[in-house]
Amino acid sequence: AQSVTQPDIHITVSEGASLELRCNYSYGATPYLFWYVQSPGQGLQLLLKYFSGDTLVQGIKGFEAEFKRSQSSFNLRKPSVHWSDAAEYFCAVQRGSQGNLIFGKGTKLSVKP
Amino acid sequence: GAVVSQHPSRVICKSGTSVKIECRSLDFQATTMFWYRQFPKQSLMLMATSNEGSKATYEQGVEKDKFLINHASLTLSTLTVTSAHPEDSSFYICSARSGRGRETEAFFGQGTRLTVV
Repeated sequence: AQSVTQPDIHITVSEGASLELRCNYSYGATPYLFWYVQSPGQGLQLLLKYFSGDTLVQGIKGFEAEFKRSQSSFNLRKPSVHWSDAAEYFCAVQRGSQGNLIFGKGTKLSVKP
Repeated sequence: GAVVSQHPSRVICKSGTSVKIECRSLDFQATTMFWYRQFPKQSLMLMATSNEGSKATYEQGVEKDKFLINHASLTLSTLTVTSAHPEDSSFYICSARSGRGRETEAFFGQGTRLTVV
């Protein structure tokens, strides 16, 4: 079955420190992968997506993610975290051509001064 | 990116009443719309998929008579929660896509916080 696992429920990092949020997926074919950010009470904002091509994907707000097929992973990274990055982050895989997304449970990011 | 507008952003209703949530694609024609539900501190779960002009396809465990979905035009889909109860309180989010090719991205609305009292 298709699924997305985000092993870390909550991560706290210091402002200015680097960040890596983990995401593993289970999907039978070539996955289409996404990272979204959600601020409290808000909708989802797309950070980046991977469909094909270069496995290192650049997104908005200085985020990047690397697709590693051998590890079934699509980890999100940022070299220097800002206080405004505190939010919930969701990794998702697209379910075939139907287009709906299967989401992980999310990782809450807290940023300490 | 394309804009999807969802209305209302918040609604409080009494138990037993019905609530309608609108999802509009503002600058593109949405051939497919998705409705998700997010419980507090949980992930988003797909409720149903609707294609313009046809009946919605509901995920297993979602009551189609309780969550009525209408996708009558290429820019508007509505979700009506009928006879709402406190356990229906949740965050509902729609998304819309303009095509059916696999690389067609879906865009999300801002979400609707429903509280049933």
